[in-house]
Amino acid sequence: NAGVTQTPKFQVLKTGQSMTLQCAQDMNHEYMSWYRQDPGMGLRLIHYSVGAGITDQGEVPNGYNVSRSTTEDFPLRLLSAAPSQTSVYFCASSFTSSPYNEQFFGPGTRLTVL
Amino acid sequence: KQEVTQIPAALSVPEGENLVLNCSFTDSAIYNLQWFRQDPGKGLTSLLLIQSSQREQTSGRLNASLDKSSGRSTLYIAASQPGDSATYLCAVTSARETSGSRLTFGEGTQLTVNP
Repeated sequence: NAGVTQTPKFQVLKTGQSMTLQCAQDMNHEYMSWYRQDPGMGLRLIHYSVGAGITDQGEVPNGYNVSRSTTEDFPLRLLSAAPSQTSVYFCASSFTSSPYNEQFFGPGTRLTVL
Repeated sequence: KQEVTQIPAALSVPEGENLVLNCSFTDSAIYNLQWFRQDPGKGLTSLLLIQSSQREQTSGRLNASLDKSSGRSTLYIAASQPGDSATYLCAVTSARETSGSRLTFGEGTQLTVNP
């Protein structure tokens, strides 16, 4: 199994541009989520999904959209990038939405917005 | 609101030393606590998961303990090696959390093991 994969690894955007960060997992996990990691603030939850067709907001959802059309994929969309969205983005997954499950993280996407 | 604190923020030790990393959380109503390792420029690797009903978990040279009532966890690394150099993060899943299985993270302890 490849586990949780993310593309691209690095991205530079100009303010106002849009882009999609890709996340995929091959473990048949129901639960997927997106975090951002910023110095001094740790990792914070952006959006999450408990299964295909179901998404919900986390702690810092503003400026981001998600959808979940398949079990495997959970893309994160930035519609109009802002410098405040410069961060490292991690996708995570777990077997089900049960809070007792271990969570697994992808390698991250490092995004810079100029 | 759950808060997770890790002390110290950075630690440097000589190779072979046994060491302890600390994690504390403010709300003892948790489902579990997970320890992760993050290498520079890399993702998070899950090391150990301790359920709220457990007191400790072991994996190789790693031993994690949990004292839920006092809001504390420790990660013990035996016979440290230069390859253990990384940032170690702890995270809890809070029982009062409304955002699914959201993990609340500490900011990590940056460990350097010197040859």
